Amino acid sequence: DAKTTQPTSMDCAEGRAANLPCNHSTISGNEYVYWYRQIHSQGPQYIIHGLKNNETNEMASLIITEDRKSSTLILPHATLRDTAVYYCIVRGLDTGRRALTFGSGTRLQVQP
Amino acid sequence: GAGVSQTPSNKVTEKGKYVELRCDPISGHTALYWYRQSLGQGPEFLIYFQGTGAADDSGLPNDRFFAVRPEGSVSTLKIQRTERGDSAVYLCASSLSPTGALLPEQFFGPGTRLTVL
Repeated sequence: DAKTTQPTSMDCAEGRAANLPCNHSTISGNEYVYWYRQIHSQGPQYIIHGLKNNETNEMASLIITEDRKSSTLILPHATLRDTAVYYCIVRGLDTGRRALTFGSGTRLQVQP
Repeated sequence: GAGVSQTPSNKVTEKGKYVELRCDPISGHTALYWYRQSLGQGPEFLIYFQGTGAADDSGLPNDRFFAVRPEGSVSTLKIQRTERGDSAVYLCASSLSPTGALLPEQFFGPGTRLTVL
């Protein structure tokens, strides 16, 4: 699986957009980018995934660069409830592995 | 609907004891995963079941760890001769079976916090 690099922590003001970057320069053509988040004392929660096109759902938007070597998760109007650790995961099925490989993630603190 | 549930939510045991951790997946999910999370770290894969069989147990740290899923639903993670280093949050997740190149969304339970004294 491609290795991902994320900043350790970020702050964001409540109501503003939170932009969380992820580098995955070794991604291969059939690997997807997944984002999960983990709120304190809870299990991780799926947010969004993408292959090469930008994606949007009710939680967030995912912007993937044209060369697919990096991506950005955007929370358009961050709230205090969005304070969590955000994990960027790159995974394809070629490896035969079905499990997710979590790194250390980005700890997002939304400030009031 | 009901999500993934795990029992107990907390377990305190003494070094050398045997423990069992239970996971109830979402009904209809054939895939079930166990992960372990140490303080300040991301979850670490332990074992994956597809139906009743362990399709990938490459994450189990040693032979003190074992998991079963006899009827393809509830799963039990068993740890023998517990050590202080086994202290962690044990997370269970379930999902539909993968189709094509896309991994289906995994739904996680709240975890069991295991403390080995």
